Amino acid sequence: EVQLVESGGGLVQPGGSLKLSCTSSGFIFSDSVIHWVRQIPGKGLEWIGRIRTKDNSYATVHTASVRGRFTISRDDSNNMAYLEMNSLKTEDTAVYYCVRHISFGGSGLDYWGHGTLVTVSS
Amino acid sequence: DIVMTQTPLSSLVTLGQPASISCRSSESLVHNDGNTYMSWLHQRPGQPPRLLIYDVSSRFPGVPDRFSGSGAGTDFTLKISRVEAEDVGLYYCMQGTHFPFIFGQGTKLEIK
Repeated sequence: EVQLVESGGGLVQPGGSLKLSCTSSGFIFSDSVIHWVRQIPGKGLEWIGRIRTKDNSYATVHTASVRGRFTISRDDSNNMAYLEMNSLKTEDTAVYYCVRHISFGGSGLDYWGHGTLVTVSS
Repeated sequence: DIVMTQTPLSSLVTLGQPASISCRSSESLVHNDGNTYMSWLHQRPGQPPRLLIYDVSSRFPGVPDRFSGSGAGTDFTLKISRVEAEDVGLYYCMQGTHFPFIFGQGTKLEIK
């Protein structure tokens, strides 16, 4: 069974930092593109970025609102992905999801973790 | 960035009746590789989204065949042939052709 489990969320002050982790199982992690998506409670979904595989040089893309502050990385030896967040703002308060890119061609986000809540507040 | 506009934003449907949600993008979603990367997701309260349709019209494994996707270019539609109680929740379209990936605002489906 494909599983993605996020951890590391919590309360942080504006300007602070947090690193989220995503533990995966049930599939070949090293072959998978991983995305991060966030959702302000009660609101819509915002794509944060993605990281490709080793064969594609672990290339990352981040959306403009987090570029330069957030960094996506991965550790294939431990089937983990990470979202490092710096210079956090109150508007970064959201549930953060780790998501797998569809594995059999095409484009879609096929498996989602249950999310971890990040609250940025003084 | 591309803008994805969903209509309607809410829908009240009788059990067993059809439902339809539209999504319009501000630019063509045809990728340089010739494919169109539009997908649809469903989110129940308190749950993460789950993938229903990818690449405009391909149903994700395990998704009931009452769900179908269609469209091309900038205009896309998700149809539910006969709404069931478990179909309530929010529906999102998402374009995966251009960076950044963008979601529609969401459509809330409720049972009448």
